[in-house]
Amino acid sequence: EVQLVESGGGLVQPGGSLRLSCAASGFSFSSYYMNWVRQAPGKGLEWVSYISSSSSTISYADSVKGRFTISRDNAKNSLYLQMNSLRVEDTAVYYCARGHTAASDIWGQGTMVTVSS
Amino acid sequence: QSALTQPASVSGSPGQSITISCTGTSSDVGSYNLVSWYQQHPGKAPKLMIYEGDKRPSGVSNRFSASKSGNTASLTISGLQAEDEADYYCCSYAGSSTFYVFGTGTKVTVL
Repeated sequence: EVQLVESGGGLVQPGGSLRLSCAASGFSFSSYYMNWVRQAPGKGLEWVSYISSSSSTISYADSVKGRFTISRDNAKNSLYLQMNSLRVEDTAVYYCARGHTAASDIWGQGTMVTVSS
Repeated sequence: QSALTQPASVSGSPGQSITISCTGTSSDVGSYNLVSWYQQHPGKAPKLMIYEGDKRPSGVSNRFSASKSGNTASLTISGLQAEDEADYYCCSYAGSSTFYVFGTGTKVTVL
């Protein structure tokens, strides 16, 4: 079964850090680009970051640029999002999603990140 | 990069057809035939319904169709069913610096 499973979410204080992980299974992870997408409570979807299959191309939304770092380990079939200098407005469910011709065809169940003092 | 504009809500009766618009700019929707559409039920992850403007992934009902004219993309749901009640989001590729921009989302209600 093709599956993505996120982990690492939780409660963190403003200014703190958190590292999200996404474990892929059931497909050739190293062949696909990946995205992180987030959704604040009661709000819409927001694209956060992109990483190509070989990590040669990386991109971030302006709202997280300079604070978040996306990475992947193809040997471990895993995607990561290092989040530093967290702000209250970063509170959201974070989804990892498999890339498919400028879309995302497989999504994880999401992991909740709450930034609050 | 601003979010693409969608109507907040659209409703229809079972069996009817509804259309959701998604308005962007010449930098995103208007420049690329790379609009995708997602369905999201409450508490669930989004599901890809349309990619590359008008293509349906395997397993998605042919009641879902999409098109584009200028800077506006549209998703049409025909033969509306109770299970179609959900939030729908469009998303467009927006170039190598911005990459992707999502729409504001539309809540579809089946009356």
